[in-house]
Amino acid sequence: ETGVTQTPRHLVMGMTNKKSLKCEQHLGHNAMYWYKQSAKKPLELMFVYNFKEQTENNSVPSRFSPECPNSSHLFLHLHTLQPEDSALYLCASSQEVAGNSPLHFGNGTRLTVT
Amino acid sequence: AQSVTQLGSHVSVSEGALVLLRCNYSSSVPPYLFWYVQYPNQGLQLLLKYTTGATLVKGINGFEAEFKKSETSFHLTKPSAHMSDAAEYFCAVSGANAGKSTFGDGTTLTVKP
Repeated sequence: ETGVTQTPRHLVMGMTNKKSLKCEQHLGHNAMYWYKQSAKKPLELMFVYNFKEQTENNSVPSRFSPECPNSSHLFLHLHTLQPEDSALYLCASSQEVAGNSPLHFGNGTRLTVT
Repeated sequence: AQSVTQLGSHVSVSEGALVLLRCNYSSSVPPYLFWYVQYPNQGLQLLLKYTTGATLVKGINGFEAEFKKSETSFHLTKPSAHMSDAAEYFCAVSGANAGKSTFGDGTTLTVKP
């Protein structure tokens, strides 16, 4: 098992669809994150969860809805997306939210909104 | 507040040549510094990190970086490039909270045969 697993790897959805991204970490970490990586833009932090409690929402539109049922699983529910939401969505985990705790990333979900 | 500047969005070297990827940071608190590598169609992978202690940090795949506080730099080097080093490299700085890491724009490394 790889450390952080994301499914699906690729997703194409229409603007009226509802879909979910899944992330699972097998590292025993306490913190999990969603990042958005768009072409020619820096990595954008979206949400932070610490011990399954949300501690950070980086002004993300409500069409993105995260869910963290436990410290090992993280979901990102998507609805009514816009074409500009097309990007690579990366899940990450860290032992704790402390700054000296490196991030472990999954391979991402490549999302295309048509 | 913190920020990261990676000088040069594209760097090209010949196989066997020195690799030097530049990173300068600003931080209002003592920084934690990281280099990550991203291969095509993959997520980011930690190469090395500086938290405290020795300023010359060794990482995976023969890479190392030196924290220079006076120059606010954390440049990444490798003595001899290999074709498999071709990837995008990200420098990141964080303060107290890993979730608030600030990433640079990335440097794409090309290795020519």
